[in-house]
Amino acid sequence: DAKTTQPTSMDCAEGRAANLPCNHSTISGNEYVYWYRQIHSQGPQYIIHGLKNNETNEMASLIITEDRKSSTLILPHATLRDTAVYYCIVRSINTNAGKSTFGDGTTLTVKP
Amino acid sequence: NAGVTQTPKFQVLKTGQSMTLQCAQDMNHEYMSWYRQDPGMGLRLIHYSVGAGITDQGEVPNGYNVSRSTTEDFPLRLLSAAPSQTSVYFCASSYSSFSGAGETQYFGPGTRLLVL
Repeated sequence: DAKTTQPTSMDCAEGRAANLPCNHSTISGNEYVYWYRQIHSQGPQYIIHGLKNNETNEMASLIITEDRKSSTLILPHATLRDTAVYYCIVRSINTNAGKSTFGDGTTLTVKP
Repeated sequence: NAGVTQTPKFQVLKTGQSMTLQCAQDMNHEYMSWYRQDPGMGLRLIHYSVGAGITDQGEVPNGYNVSRSTTEDFPLRLLSAAPSQTSVYFCASSYSSFSGAGETQYFGPGTRLLVL
């Protein structure tokens, strides 16, 4: 599975959009991009995933560049409860979810 | 559904002691995994299983054993605890799909282990 690079930390004002970038320049055609988040001391929680089209659900939007070498997770109206570590994972369809490898993620701090 | 449950929530061990961390899921998921998370770090995969009777090693398997006798349970055994195994341990499960894509993992609340 391709490696990912994320900034170590980011801040965002409450009520504003939080845009979390992820670089995955070695991604291959059969690899999906997944985002999880981990609120302090809890187990990680799935947010969203995509292959090449942009995706949106009730939690967030995922924008994947046309060349698929990077993506951005967007939390449209960040709240204090969105303060967490956000993990970007790239995984092949040939790799089962149980083998997912997590990097260090981005620590997002939402400030009042 | 209770989802993924882990016991105990917190454990203190002395160096050399052994113990088993329990993990159970009631979602009939085929895949189960164990991760450890050291302070300020991301998750590292210890062992995983693709079904009852089938397990494999992850990134950091040394010092740990697993077995999967049922779909529901996936215990993690520490053979001889060392201070370097002080960490938070998370269990996760996921279902399989025909395409292999789109599977998401569901995580338990974690077990905090301190080895003195």
